[in-house]
Order: sequence, then C-alpha cells, then structure tokens
Amino acid sequence: ETGVTQTPRHLVMGMTNKKSLKCEQHLGHNAMYWYKQSAKKPLELMFVYSLEERVENNSVPSRFSPECPNSSHLFLHLHTLQPEDSALYLCASSQTSGRAGELFFGEGSRLTVL
Amino acid sequence: QKEVEQNSGPLSVPEGAIASLNCTYSDRGSQSFFWYRQYSGKSPELIMSIYSNGDKEDGRFTAQLNKASQYVSLLIRDSQPSDSATYLCAAAGGTSYGKLTFGQGTILTVHP
Repeated sequence: ETGVTQTPRHLVMGMTNKKSLKCEQHLGHNAMYWYKQSAKKPLELMFVYSLEERVENNSVPSRFSPECPNSSHLFLHLHTLQPEDSALYLCASSQTSGRAGELFFGEGSRLTVL
Repeated sequence: QKEVEQNSGPLSVPEGAIASLNCTYSDRGSQSFFWYRQYSGKSPELIMSIYSNGDKEDGRFTAQLNKASQYVSLLIRDSQPSDSATYLCAAAGGTSYGKLTFGQGTILTVHP
C-alpha cells in the first residue's frame, strides 16, 4: 500500500445510523487531516491531528467525532447525521515542517445521508 | 475570516494556448501558497507550491506570487486536453502547515 488510503469509498447511511470513515497513510508524515468537500463550496478543514496539536474547526457539528490512535491512522466517527452532511470527505497527510503545506489526499469517502 | 477567491470561470482555452488562473487572498499573514488540480471524480493533487514573491516554473506550469497585492496566479503553457480539471488555490499562514484555506476552484476546459 502506498500514499493515503480511505475506506469506504462510498457510504449511504440513514440519519440514525452510526458509521466510521477510516484513513491510513503510508508516507511517514506526522500530520493528518479531514477535509470536507461539498458541491459549490470550497474545501473546508474539519480536523487536524499532529504530534504537536489537535485542531478542530469550531463550525464542525459534534455529530462528527475524530479519532487518531497513531500517526498513520485517522478515523471520522459519524452519528445522527443530517442530509446536508452529504459530501465528499477527504483525508490528507503532510509533514509539519519543511514542505509542510503540501497535502497528499486520499481518494475520498463519498457520503450520502438519507 | 480568511478567504481565498478565485476567478469564477469556467475557463475554456484552445489546445496549445496559455491558460491563466488567478487567485487573491485576504489574510496578509499567509506565507505559503499552493495550486492543486482535481480531475472530475478524483481527489486534489498538488501541482505547484510557492513561498516567495516572483515566479516559479515547473515544466509547463508557472506560479506567480505578489504578496503586496495579495495575488497568486498559475499559468499553464501549451495547454493540453489532459489539463482539463478544476484548479484549487490554497493559502496557509506561517505556522499553519497543512491547515489550508482553499478557494472555490476554477474549472478549466482545454478543447482540441
């Protein structure tokens, strides 16, 4: 496995379900991110995990819950989502120094909330 | 509110022409700037990064940065149909590493 891998690639869930998105990076990076991409809106940073900090976008609802057990794995736990949460959820990784802003994205998890 | 604005597009150019993509940013503390390319149904991939004023060239791509004007651009020379994609401009502050603020993207179509 190389790069950043995300599973599942597609997910359909009802508003009462609980599901999780998984991300794994094989690049030796020390920061991982969740970004949300909705139609006709800019990519939006949701969460960041690095050795130094965990950062949350304060506008992200609590029905999204991140977990980062180590520097290679990142999860996004989903519960009681709303239809407007339907979007492409992108995981990314990078270094935190040097070429730090150069993100490597996974292929994304397309989420549909019914 | 940090914002990155891109020319709205869509932009259509003939094959072989120069495509010019523009971006402005509101946060004067931004120090790093990036262009990502996103093909339809795919995730973004980094094509250029620029950190200091002036031009940076990489093959057919040239990024230009003017911090005084808070302006970033991407020129694609000898455009090819395979360059047809959405181009995302992004900015980050000095200690922000991958915490990027993205523009809404410009759709580029290169027609044969």
